Amino acid sequence: EAEVAQSPRYKITEKSQAVAFWCDPISGHATLYWYRQILGQGPELLVQFQDESVVDDSQLPKDRFSAERLKGVDSTLKIQPAELGDSAMYLCASSIGGLSTDTQYFGPGTRLTVL
Amino acid sequence: AQSVTQLGSHVSVSEGALVLLRCNYSSSVPPYLFWYVQYPNQGLQLLLKYTTGATLVKGINGFEAEFKKSETSFHLTKPSAHMSDAAEYFCAVSLLTGGGNKLTFGTGTQLKVEL
Repeated sequence: EAEVAQSPRYKITEKSQAVAFWCDPISGHATLYWYRQILGQGPELLVQFQDESVVDDSQLPKDRFSAERLKGVDSTLKIQPAELGDSAMYLCASSIGGLSTDTQYFGPGTRLTVL
Repeated sequence: AQSVTQLGSHVSVSEGALVLLRCNYSSSVPPYLFWYVQYPNQGLQLLLKYTTGATLVKGINGFEAEFKKSETSFHLTKPSAHMSDAAEYFCAVSLLTGGGNKLTFGTGTQLKVEL
């Protein structure tokens, strides 16, 4: 069964350093999502791509976070500089399209710890 | 704005007992509703979803949920709990906004299954 791949699974960094996370969606899925999940809470959408275009980044802290999906396939989420409050699980998901009824399939996540 | 509320952040049941996890939604338009399960340090897996049609939805692992418009509820049930059901469960509502398909999650319910 096809899965969403993410790396690394775990990342420990110091405050003010730069970090990057990678996601490879299920083949053929046009829509890709990045969510942030703080411990004890549900995931919150950071950014959504339709192919290579951003369709929603209203909750992305643009002063320090950036995301790209240059060829409309895999994607990278970057944080620079990292802050203590960025410690969380970063989840990538993909769906075949951008309809409200489309199932979003999640990857295993990257657990970020900022010291 | 659409939202979901999960009543009970922690639920404990005995193995073999009924599982009932509560979810109420708030929506100005007919909602699309989802239940996801998350095992420790893993991503989210779809259990079931309601879009249109039959209000009783059957999912994987013996779970089902019933959409009740009059009660604005979408509670998750399973007749007989297994130890392997111990995990965190998230209810979510789908919102199509500005071209994006955004899942809004509840805060989650941690299910504990005891012998």
